[in-house]
Amino acid sequence: AQSVTQLGSHVSVSEGALVLLRCNYSSSVPPYLFWYVQYPNQGLQLLLKYTSAATLVKGINGFEAEFKKSETSFHLTKPSAHMSDAAEYFCAVYQGGKLIFGQGTELSVKP
Amino acid sequence: DAGVIQSPRHEVTEMGQEVTLRCKPISGHNSLFWYRQTMMRGLELLIYFNNNVPIDDSGMPEDRFSAKMPNASFSTLKIQPSEPRDSAVYFCASSLGQQRLPQHFGDGTRLSIL
Repeated sequence: AQSVTQLGSHVSVSEGALVLLRCNYSSSVPPYLFWYVQYPNQGLQLLLKYTSAATLVKGINGFEAEFKKSETSFHLTKPSAHMSDAAEYFCAVYQGGKLIFGQGTELSVKP
Repeated sequence: DAGVIQSPRHEVTEMGQEVTLRCKPISGHNSLFWYRQTMMRGLELLIYFNNNVPIDDSGMPEDRFSAKMPNASFSTLKIQPSEPRDSAVYFCASSLGQQRLPQHFGDGTRLSIL
Protein backbone atom coordinates (compact mmCIF):
# COMPACT_ATOMS: atom_id res chain seq x y z
CA ALA A 1 0.00 0.00 0.00
CA GLN A 2 1.13 3.47 -0.76
CA SER A 3 1.48 6.10 1.93
CA VAL A 4 2.89 9.56 2.58
CA THR A 5 4.76 10.95 5.55
CA GLN A 6 4.97 14.65 6.22
CA LEU A 7 7.94 15.55 8.38
CA GLY A 8 7.03 18.20 10.90
CA SER A 9 3.49 18.93 12.00
CA HIS A 10 4.35 22.61 12.48
CA VAL A 11 6.72 24.81 10.53
CA SER A 12 7.32 28.47 11.32
CA VAL A 13 9.12 30.90 9.01
CA SER A 14 9.59 34.63 8.84
CA GLU A 15 7.93 36.65 6.13
CA GLY A 16 10.22 36.67 3.09
CA ALA A 17 12.05 33.51 4.11
CA LEU A 18 12.19 30.24 2.22
CA VAL A 19 9.35 27.81 2.80
CA LEU A 20 10.20 24.10 2.79
CA LEU A 21 7.57 21.52 3.65
CA ARG A 22 8.70 17.91 3.50
CA CYS A 23 6.86 14.93 2.11
CA ASN A 24 8.10 11.40 1.58
CA TYR A 25 6.11 8.69 -0.07
CA SER A 26 6.22 4.94 -0.28
CA SER A 27 5.15 3.37 -3.51
CA SER A 28 5.98 0.31 -5.54
CA VAL A 29 4.96 2.00 -8.77
CA PRO A 30 5.49 5.51 -10.16
CA PRO A 31 3.16 7.59 -8.05
CA TYR A 32 0.85 10.46 -8.69
CA LEU A 33 1.52 13.02 -5.97
CA PHE A 34 -0.33 16.12 -4.85
CA TRP A 35 -0.05 19.06 -2.52
CA TYR A 36 -3.19 20.65 -1.13
CA VAL A 37 -3.58 23.73 1.06
CA GLN A 38 -6.29 24.30 3.64
CA TYR A 39 -7.03 27.79 4.92
CA PRO A 40 -8.96 28.16 8.18
CA ASN A 41 -12.58 27.09 7.94
CA GLN A 42 -12.22 26.13 4.29
CA GLY A 43 -11.86 22.97 2.26
CA LEU A 44 -8.69 21.70 0.64
CA GLN A 45 -7.46 23.51 -2.44
CA LEU A 46 -5.14 21.90 -4.98
CA LEU A 47 -1.71 23.57 -5.07
CA LEU A 48 0.02 21.34 -7.57
CA LYS A 49 0.29 17.80 -8.86
CA TYR A 50 2.91 15.43 -10.20
CA THR A 51 1.73 12.90 -12.79
CA SER A 52 4.96 11.47 -14.25
CA ALA A 53 5.81 14.41 -16.48
CA ALA A 54 8.36 17.06 -15.47
CA THR A 55 9.94 16.38 -12.08
CA LEU A 56 9.76 20.05 -11.10
CA VAL A 57 6.14 21.03 -10.80
CA LYS A 58 4.96 24.61 -10.48
CA GLY A 59 1.72 25.37 -8.71
CA ILE A 60 -0.37 28.30 -7.66
CA ASN A 61 0.71 31.14 -5.37
CA GLY A 62 4.40 30.73 -6.22
CA PHE A 63 4.74 27.22 -4.80
CA GLU A 64 6.63 24.44 -6.51
CA ALA A 65 7.62 20.87 -5.72
CA GLU A 66 10.29 18.55 -7.00
CA PHE A 67 9.79 14.84 -7.44
CA LYS A 68 12.94 12.93 -6.48
CA LYS A 69 12.59 9.23 -7.08
CA SER A 70 15.95 8.38 -5.49
CA GLU A 71 14.86 10.02 -2.26
CA THR A 72 11.15 9.11 -2.56
CA SER A 73 10.42 12.72 -1.80
CA PHE A 74 8.09 15.43 -3.04
CA HIS A 75 8.97 18.48 -0.96
CA LEU A 76 7.05 21.73 -1.36
CA THR A 77 8.94 25.02 -1.57
CA LYS A 78 8.36 28.72 -2.01
CA PRO A 79 11.27 31.16 -2.23
CA SER A 80 9.68 33.92 -0.18
CA ALA A 81 6.93 33.40 2.38
CA HIS A 82 3.98 35.76 2.57
CA MET A 83 1.69 36.23 5.52
CA SER A 84 -1.16 34.88 3.42
CA ASP A 85 0.64 31.53 3.10
CA ALA A 86 -0.21 30.67 6.70
CA ALA A 87 -2.34 27.54 6.41
CA GLU A 88 -2.21 23.77 6.67
CA TYR A 89 -0.60 21.86 3.84
CA PHE A 90 -1.30 18.26 2.91
CA CYS A 91 0.70 15.92 0.73
CA ALA A 92 -1.23 13.10 -0.91
CA VAL A 93 -0.55 10.06 -3.08
CA TYR A 94 -3.00 8.53 -5.51
CA GLN A 95 -3.76 4.86 -4.98
CA GLY A 96 -6.46 2.73 -6.53
CA GLY A 97 -8.85 5.56 -7.29
CA LYS A 98 -8.33 7.24 -3.93
CA LEU A 99 -6.11 9.91 -2.45
CA ILE A 100 -4.13 8.95 0.63
CA PHE A 101 -3.30 12.05 2.64
CA GLY A 102 -0.45 12.78 5.00
CA GLN A 103 -1.10 14.13 8.45
CA GLY A 104 -0.59 17.72 7.37
CA THR A 105 1.90 20.47 8.19
CA GLU A 106 0.74 23.73 9.69
CA LEU A 107 2.72 26.67 8.34
CA SER A 108 3.01 29.82 10.43
CA VAL A 109 4.47 33.00 8.96
CA LYS A 110 5.92 35.59 11.34
CA PRO A 111 6.04 39.26 10.42
CA ASP B 1 -18.14 28.31 -11.71
CA ALA B 2 -19.84 26.86 -8.67
CA GLY B 3 -17.66 24.58 -6.61
CA VAL B 4 -18.68 21.72 -4.38
CA ILE B 5 -21.46 22.92 -2.11
CA GLN B 6 -22.00 21.47 1.34
CA SER B 7 -24.73 22.15 3.83
CA PRO B 8 -25.03 22.95 6.60
CA ARG B 9 -21.68 24.63 7.31
CA HIS B 10 -22.12 24.08 11.02
CA GLU B 11 -24.26 21.63 12.95
CA VAL B 12 -24.61 21.29 16.68
CA THR B 13 -26.87 18.59 18.01
CA GLU B 14 -27.33 16.34 20.99
CA MET B 15 -26.12 12.79 21.25
CA GLY B 16 -28.58 10.29 19.87
CA GLN B 17 -30.03 12.59 17.25
CA GLU B 18 -29.95 11.87 13.56
CA VAL B 19 -27.61 14.05 11.53
CA THR B 20 -27.76 14.51 7.76
CA LEU B 21 -25.01 16.21 5.83
CA ARG B 22 -25.56 17.25 2.23
CA CYS B 23 -23.34 17.69 -0.76
CA LYS B 24 -23.80 19.00 -4.28
CA PRO B 25 -20.83 18.09 -6.49
CA ILE B 26 -19.52 20.19 -9.34
CA SER B 27 -21.78 19.83 -12.35
CA GLY B 28 -20.50 17.15 -14.71
CA HIS B 29 -18.27 15.44 -12.17
CA ASN B 30 -18.91 11.73 -11.92
CA SER B 31 -17.07 10.83 -8.71
CA LEU B 32 -17.92 11.96 -5.21
CA PHE B 33 -15.99 11.46 -1.99
CA TRP B 34 -16.84 11.91 1.70
CA TYR B 35 -14.00 12.62 4.12
CA ARG B 36 -13.80 13.17 7.86
CA GLN B 37 -11.14 15.39 9.44
CA THR B 38 -10.18 15.26 13.11
CA MET B 39 -7.14 16.35 15.05
CA MET B 40 -6.40 12.81 16.13
CA ARG B 41 -6.85 10.95 12.86
CA GLY B 42 -6.30 13.61 10.23
CA LEU B 43 -8.15 13.35 6.94
CA GLU B 44 -9.89 10.02 6.40
CA LEU B 45 -11.79 8.84 3.35
CA LEU B 46 -15.16 7.45 4.41
CA ILE B 47 -16.72 6.45 1.11
CA TYR B 48 -16.65 7.28 -2.56
CA PHE B 49 -19.10 6.98 -5.42
CA ASN B 50 -18.56 6.67 -9.14
CA ASN B 51 -21.53 7.39 -11.40
CA ASN B 52 -23.77 7.40 -8.30
CA VAL B 53 -22.69 3.89 -7.27
CA PRO B 54 -20.75 3.32 -4.02
CA ILE B 55 -17.34 1.92 -4.94
CA ASP B 56 -15.50 1.75 -1.64
CA ASP B 57 -17.11 2.20 1.77
CA SER B 58 -14.33 0.58 3.75
CA GLY B 59 -13.69 3.83 5.60
CA MET B 60 -17.18 4.12 7.02
CA PRO B 61 -16.67 3.79 10.77
CA GLU B 62 -19.69 1.67 11.65
CA ASP B 63 -23.28 0.94 10.82
CA ARG B 64 -24.42 4.22 12.30
CA PHE B 65 -22.99 5.90 9.21
CA SER B 66 -24.68 5.65 5.83
CA ALA B 67 -24.26 7.52 2.55
CA LYS B 68 -26.43 7.80 -0.51
CA MET B 69 -26.19 9.36 -3.92
CA PRO B 70 -29.66 9.28 -5.47
CA ASN B 71 -28.56 11.28 -8.51
CA ALA B 72 -25.51 12.90 -10.05
CA SER B 73 -26.07 16.23 -8.33
CA PHE B 74 -26.73 15.25 -4.74
CA SER B 75 -25.36 13.10 -1.95
CA THR B 76 -26.05 12.69 1.74
CA LEU B 77 -24.08 11.35 4.68
CA LYS B 78 -26.23 10.31 7.58
CA ILE B 79 -25.30 9.47 11.15
CA GLN B 80 -27.94 7.76 13.26
CA PRO B 81 -27.69 7.77 16.22
CA SER B 82 -24.95 10.37 16.61
CA GLU B 83 -22.30 10.18 19.33
CA PRO B 84 -19.86 12.79 20.70
CA ARG B 85 -16.94 10.99 19.03
CA ASP B 86 -18.51 11.76 15.66
CA SER B 87 -17.65 15.42 16.16
CA ALA B 88 -15.42 16.41 13.26
CA VAL B 89 -15.32 18.37 10.04
CA TYR B 90 -16.85 16.42 7.19
CA PHE B 91 -15.77 17.22 3.65
CA CYS B 92 -17.26 16.32 0.34
CA ALA B 93 -15.15 16.31 -2.83
CA SER B 94 -15.88 15.59 -6.46
CA SER B 95 -13.85 14.81 -9.56
CA LEU B 96 -14.13 13.89 -13.20
CA GLY B 97 -12.67 11.12 -15.25
CA GLN B 98 -11.50 7.57 -14.91
CA GLN B 99 -8.70 8.41 -12.52
CA ARG B 100 -10.95 10.73 -10.50
CA LEU B 101 -8.27 13.41 -10.32
CA PRO B 102 -7.91 16.07 -9.17
CA GLN B 103 -10.45 16.16 -6.40
CA HIS B 104 -12.22 19.45 -5.68
CA PHE B 105 -13.29 19.97 -2.08
CA GLY B 106 -16.22 21.75 -0.51
CA ASP B 107 -15.79 23.99 2.52
CA GLY B 108 -16.93 21.27 4.90
CA THR B 109 -19.53 20.81 7.62
CA ARG B 110 -18.31 21.32 11.16
CA LEU B 111 -20.28 18.86 13.29
CA SER B 112 -20.45 19.02 17.05
CA ILE B 113 -22.28 16.32 18.98
CA LEU B 114 -22.97 17.30 22.60
